[in-house]
Amino acid sequence: GAVVSQHPSRVICKSGTSVKIECRSLDFQATTMFWYRQFPKQSLMLMATSNEGSKATYEQGVEKDKFLINHASLTLSTLTVTSAHPEDSSFYICSGKGGSGGYEQYFGPGTRLTVT
Amino acid sequence: SQKIEQNSEALNIQEGKTATLTCNYTNYSPAYLQWYRQDPGRGPVFLLLIRENEKEKRKERLKVTFDTTLKQSLFHITASQPADSATYLCALMNRDDKIIFGKGTRLHILP
Repeated sequence: GAVVSQHPSRVICKSGTSVKIECRSLDFQATTMFWYRQFPKQSLMLMATSNEGSKATYEQGVEKDKFLINHASLTLSTLTVTSAHPEDSSFYICSGKGGSGGYEQYFGPGTRLTVT
Repeated sequence: SQKIEQNSEALNIQEGKTATLTCNYTNYSPAYLQWYRQDPGRGPVFLLLIRENEKEKRKERLKVTFDTTLKQSLFHITASQPADSATYLCALMNRDDKIIFGKGTRLHILP
């Protein structure tokens, strides 16, 4: 299957700082990328959907000014958590979907964010 | 609101036996139902997808059934091995590409 990478895999930051997470599709062009968040023992929750070159669509309850998403190219999307707080500590996972009309999304390995 | 329930948080199965995981959902009519495997600290890995007009799908030792009347899917792993130990996620998807995940069932295959 297609490969999606995330960087960094783990990050610890201080409360009030911003953190950027990168999501790359390595061997396919991801026309659509999705960002999820997973708290311990909880399900993955979709945060936002982004199409290359356009603004992201956020799910209800997700603050767009706090979670900035940029999908500048067909192989790269970034999620920036601005003014992070301890409650933002979570496992952030991205997925990419190609434009061939298929249904499959390819998930990245996730980024563990800890805000102290 | 849409809800997905996976039968139990954890399931212990003896090696060599068939493991059966259950996924029930309410307030939703998915076009597709998917099963993923997730290992600790990792992203989910796609296993199988079954469409709303399909009853059963197989892939190697895996079998998925889908009953849209009961709003239920069963996921079977035959001849289970310790390497099959992981969390298995049931997920629903419609044609808008949005995936709704269940909390998962942690499967332990005991040697």
